Amino acid sequence: AQSVAQPEDQVNVAEGNPLTVKCTYSVSGNPYLFWYVQYPNRGLQFLLKYITGDNLVKGSYGFEAEFNKSQTSFHLKKPSALVSDSALYFCAVRDASSGNTGKLIFGQGTTLQVKP
Amino acid sequence: AAGVIQSPRHLIKEKRETATLKCYPIPRHDTVYWYQQGPGQDPQFLISFYEKMQSDKGSIPDRFSAQQFSDYHSELNMSSLELGDSALYFCATCPLRGLKGPQYEQYFGPGTRLTVT
Repeated sequence: AQSVAQPEDQVNVAEGNPLTVKCTYSVSGNPYLFWYVQYPNRGLQFLLKYITGDNLVKGSYGFEAEFNKSQTSFHLKKPSALVSDSALYFCAVRDASSGNTGKLIFGQGTTLQVKP
Repeated sequence: AAGVIQSPRHLIKEKRETATLKCYPIPRHDTVYWYQQGPGQDPQFLISFYEKMQSDKGSIPDRFSAQQFSDYHSELNMSSLELGDSALYFCATCPLRGLKGPQYEQYFGPGTRLTVT
């Protein structure tokens, strides 16, 4: 079965410092991986995806993620954190094993807190 | 840019009542997914539709049903509501058969917050 894990419930960084939010995955076949951000009482907002190609994927709002096949990881990164980046971040994998629409399976979520 | 529309945004129901949640996809998005997010939890897949046909089913109670209509909007019908049904319900859409080929990222609506009392 497809799954993703986010080992950290919360990540704290100072504004201006680089941030990393970790995600590891377990899939059969090629992984289709995604990062979403959720602000309080809001929907999930798509940040970036890895389907194929370059291991470093660039997304919205200066975020990027590095796909590492040997370590089965897809960590989210940003060179310089902003206070406004504080939110809940979800890693997800597409699971098309039981239907052609490919539902998303989410990690547990990581709360990012950026302090001024 | 047009986004996924969900209505209502908030809904308060009593136990054993019924509720209907609606989702209007982004134009030209042919696939609809429904997810349930409990407090402090990650979203859990309920059901999906592609081109108006049910495609996949997750942990959706038998009390719930859904369909996608000819204009691609979808409705989630919930009956005999229980306290445990209180959650955020998200609709997400994507264009699996887009002009540029399949686009796998799902775009989420703002959600419907259902409270069962």
